[in-house]
Amino acid sequence: QQPVQSPQAVILREGEDAVINCSSSKALYSVHWYRQKHGEAPVFLMILLKGGEQKGHEKISASFNEKKQQSSLYLTASQLSYSGTYFCGTAYNQGGKLIFGQGTELSVKP
Amino acid sequence: NAGVTQTPKFQVLKTGQSMTLQCAQDMNHNSMYWYRQDPGMGLRLIYYSASEGTTDKGEVPNGYNVSRLNKREFSLRLESAAPSQTSVYFCASRPGQGSTEAFFGQGTRLTVV
Repeated sequence: QQPVQSPQAVILREGEDAVINCSSSKALYSVHWYRQKHGEAPVFLMILLKGGEQKGHEKISASFNEKKQQSSLYLTASQLSYSGTYFCGTAYNQGGKLIFGQGTELSVKP
Repeated sequence: NAGVTQTPKFQVLKTGQSMTLQCAQDMNHNSMYWYRQDPGMGLRLIYYSASEGTTDKGEVPNGYNVSRLNKREFSLRLESAAPSQTSVYFCASRPGQGSTEAFFGQGTRLTVV
């Protein structure tokens, strides 16, 4: 079952902050975050693992609430280059299938 | 270092025609995936292969078949294309051990008329 992302779309001015949420109805082992520019393939940003281990991107952070099966991606002081569609992907066991949410379209304006 | 390579990049089919989308990775990854992407629907998993010789259905497998030919290659076949299969198709691979990132191919844009 697809995880649910919110919001579906957000428009920011440069320098503003944004939060994108991802929730699952099943217990998660890991949450992945990817960004996709128009016409391109998704590109990896970050993985959050059950138990708190985090890997990631130096300018973007994320959290993983295991009790609520939710993850949030935090983009601070947004730049024009942050524009794109953000996807969360969820896995229910180590090395298991990766199921993606419907995406959040982020537009950063000058 | 090619990563994940998909062929073709673009294809137009007539309803009822068949075709195979090819995917190959050179990273010695165990897991491979096929997704389709439609506006507002995100990336939906069609089929998944955890290792050579194994395949498993994803969220939207109807109308598709797959073959994990060897560790490198994972093909997706449309036996009788329908307009509802018009989409962008992405192949991806992961090492399959531990929680590691997925690497995506550049996609195949398929139109069925």
